[in-house]
Amino acid sequence: QSALTQPPSASGSPGQSVTISCTGTSSDVGGYNYVSWYQQHPGKAPKLMIYEVSKRPSGVPDRFSGSKSGNTASLTVSGLQAEDEADYYCSSYAGSNNFEVVFGGGTKLTVL
Amino acid sequence: QVQLVQSGAEVKKPGASVKVSCKASGYTFTSYDINWVRQATGQGLEWMGWMNPNSGNTGYAQKFQGRVTMTRNTSISTAYMELSSLRSEDTAVYYCARGGYSGYDFAVWGQGTTVTVSS
Repeated sequence: QSALTQPPSASGSPGQSVTISCTGTSSDVGGYNYVSWYQQHPGKAPKLMIYEVSKRPSGVPDRFSGSKSGNTASLTVSGLQAEDEADYYCSSYAGSNNFEVVFGGGTKLTVL
Repeated sequence: QVQLVQSGAEVKKPGASVKVSCKASGYTFTSYDINWVRQATGQGLEWMGWMNPNSGNTGYAQKFQGRVTMTRNTSISTAYMELSSLRSEDTAVYYCARGGYSGYDFAVWGQGTTVTVSS
């Protein structure tokens, strides 16, 4: 399975909104509603921010939202805050006999 | 609280094997799959495989098949990931992660174990 495609970087000013894309194929993103998004600060373990395309775990601010259209999923961060600066990774279930999961290459979000 | 605590850093020579442990607490160990994800320095996340602690069933990414083995000891709520025939490209932080809502998302992560492969 090939990695999902994400832009290497994204940026926005405090209070603005930014959207990060995650492009796969019909065998992963487009084929299942099992897209997740993770936030990772330097030196820390990833944190689940969105699961099943658009659902937020308890404790994740509603400034974070997810969506999907065809083979592309998106993460939108509204009302950007300084602490949102981090790396963001998407992942998707990719099927197969081994119930594989595939990650995107990651996007570095900078809050200007 | 729910947590996964991993074993400490390892330094291995090329060709050797490494076994990383992941001890679960705060929940029923056999109720959620354990996945392993690695991250080379400055690189992205790479899924390695999953294990069902109840049945012991496993599924490995094609890239690691034949080199990785995931096991568990339910009596001490601990999962293990062993990677053999190590090469320099295996130098990375290895994370265990617990399945969350759908099983294909990872809601709880260990703190990571650094494995360095160097002659």
